[in-house]
Amino acid sequence: GQNIDQPTEMTATEGAIVQINCTYQTSGFNGLFWYQQHAGEAPTFLSYNVLDGLEEKGRFSSFLSRSKGYSYLLLKELQMKDSASYLCALMDSNYQLIWGAGTKLIIKP
Amino acid sequence: DADVTQTPRNRITKTGKRIMLECSQTKGHDRMYWYRQDPGLGLQLIYYSFDVKDINKGEISDGYSVSRQAQAKFSLSLESAIPNQTALYFCATSDSRLHTGELFFGEGSRLTVL
Repeated sequence: GQNIDQPTEMTATEGAIVQINCTYQTSGFNGLFWYQQHAGEAPTFLSYNVLDGLEEKGRFSSFLSRSKGYSYLLLKELQMKDSASYLCALMDSNYQLIWGAGTKLIIKP
Repeated sequence: DADVTQTPRNRITKTGKRIMLECSQTKGHDRMYWYRQDPGLGLQLIYYSFDVKDINKGEISDGYSVSRQAQAKFSLSLESAIPNQTALYFCATSDSRLHTGELFFGEGSRLTVL
């Protein structure tokens, strides 16, 4: 079967760095996504990794290790507007997305 | 204006009523999806459609039906609503020509079944 795990909630300080981890088990893999979702709003795309390594996009970076079934989203220079839920999603062998429950990130001044 | 529009945004209804949630998009995407989101759970796929003549069940299709009236329109129906269908529903689109498979979401429809 397929399974995705990510922490339920994390707290960090404005200006700091935070790493949100996502581990997964799957029989087929066609990429891993990170989405951001502010409370009561729609998810918005952050990143896509299909090969091992780090993808950097401004203050946000995403890392993938397929052999370890592991990804993380790294957020630098945290701002209050980064308070949101971060959703990890796996694209399986049928090109369907399997979603984690999301990590609620709380940023404190 | 939003590229993916859902109506209604909020709906309160009673058990047994028929409900339709509508989704329209101006992105020109061929693929459309309906998801539900419950607190503490990941997004769950209800139905998806890769083009006008294609309808596929997702992981939680029981109690729901869909219609792809045109490439730009995808509606979700609850034939006889029940309280455990109370949730936030999202429509999403994607373009099969994009290798990333990125989804573009509507603003959501909050449904409460009493």
